[in-house]
Amino acid sequence: EPEVTQTPSHQVTQMGQEVILRCVPISNHLYFYWYRQILGQKVEFLVSFYNNEISEKSEIFDDQFSVERPDGSNFTLKIRSTKLEDSAMYFCASSETTLSTDTQYFGPGTRLTVL
Amino acid sequence: TQLLEQSPQFLSIQEGENLTVYCNSSSVFSSLQWYRQEPGEGPVLLVTVVTGGEVKKLKRLTFQFGDARKDSSLHITAAQPGDTGLYLCAGARDSNYQLIWGAGTKLIIKP
Repeated sequence: EPEVTQTPSHQVTQMGQEVILRCVPISNHLYFYWYRQILGQKVEFLVSFYNNEISEKSEIFDDQFSVERPDGSNFTLKIRSTKLEDSAMYFCASSETTLSTDTQYFGPGTRLTVL
Repeated sequence: TQLLEQSPQFLSIQEGENLTVYCNSSSVFSSLQWYRQEPGEGPVLLVTVVTGGEVKKLKRLTFQFGDARKDSSLHITAAQPGDTGLYLCAGARDSNYQLIWGAGTKLIIKP
């Protein structure tokens, strides 16, 4: 069964460093998302992406964040200058459509630890 | 801000008992999805409910979407230790792409 994959599974970085989190969405999906989950808190939406453009972003997704589809299979989230509060699980998801009745499929997540 | 309130937050019961988890909102959702999440892993989809009043069954799990599409429930019959985990509900609206998440119900089934 097709699945969303994410690398790395765990990333440790120093505050102020740049990190790139990678995702390979399901191959026939056209819509991609990033969510994050701070330990013990709710899953929070960051950004959605379609046709090489951001479709929607939350207040969390400030100028320190960017997303890119560098090739036909990868979807990346870059944090330019990490802060301690960026420590969280980051989940990538994809869906075939943006119909609200469609399902978003999630990857296993990348645990980001900022020291 | 649109919220999804999930209850209970934590539930610990004996194997064989039945339980219900609730997901409530004052807002209408176009669909509601139930996920299960293991520690350190991503949410895994259990079911998507779309139509008001819809009932879906997945073995011993029964999911219902409220008639007004503002609430949903997950009922587990004869719970087993393998059902232990974090259950999350997430709602989608017509107007945007993001999922609105509940805080989750941590379920422990004791043998």
